[in-house]
Amino acid sequence: NAGVTQTPKFQVLKTGQSMTLQCAQDMNHEYMSWYRQDPGMGLRLIHYSVGAGITDQGEVPNGYNVSRSTTEDFPLRLLSAAPSQTSVYFCASSYSGTWELGGELFFGEGSRLTVL
Amino acid sequence: QQQVKQSPQSLIVQKGGISIINCAYENTAFDYFPWYQQFPGKGPALLIAIRPDVSEKKEGRFTISFNKSAKQFSLHIMDSQPGDSATYFCAASTRYSSASKIIFGSGTRLSIRP
Repeated sequence: NAGVTQTPKFQVLKTGQSMTLQCAQDMNHEYMSWYRQDPGMGLRLIHYSVGAGITDQGEVPNGYNVSRSTTEDFPLRLLSAAPSQTSVYFCASSYSGTWELGGELFFGEGSRLTVL
Repeated sequence: QQQVKQSPQSLIVQKGGISIINCAYENTAFDYFPWYQQFPGKGPALLIAIRPDVSEKKEGRFTISFNKSAKQFSLHIMDSQPGDSATYFCAASTRYSSASKIIFGSGTRLSIRP
């Protein structure tokens, strides 16, 4: 039972560098999303996707790009890293995206990013 | 109006005691209130959820109490154990909306002292 797999678990970047956080799920979930977790801020939605080829912005999308070419994968790209992007990033997936139809969010174990 | 306010930010409880975490919301359209539990180094996982047609839901030692008129809900952990030490997030959403609309509280770090 792999569930939602994120790589890498840890990454240190210098300001201005770019990188991609990988997320894959093996539950055939249509809905996938990226959150960032900062102390005292809870979980804030960055981008989400309701299916292959469909993405949309969340609460804090600036500085991040996403794409969804397959049902399984939903990578998050940092275009030009800034210290304000130091955070723990979580990928989450859901069967349908609505609670009545079983929209519980399943989270990966997180990727801790430090930008110097 | 979209915020979910969670308190306290951190909580220390003796083993065997009752842990209580409170949340308040403004948007009266919210009708689904899940709680997520996050252990250190792990992602959050759904613990228990309630809909406002009931005032209380209990699963084992975990109970959600819901006060619709006050727009508040809380998580009670009875007979708290060291294994309950984790960060807890309350959340709110509407049943038929996308999971992208869920609003999370700021989290409570719970430590159970042996």
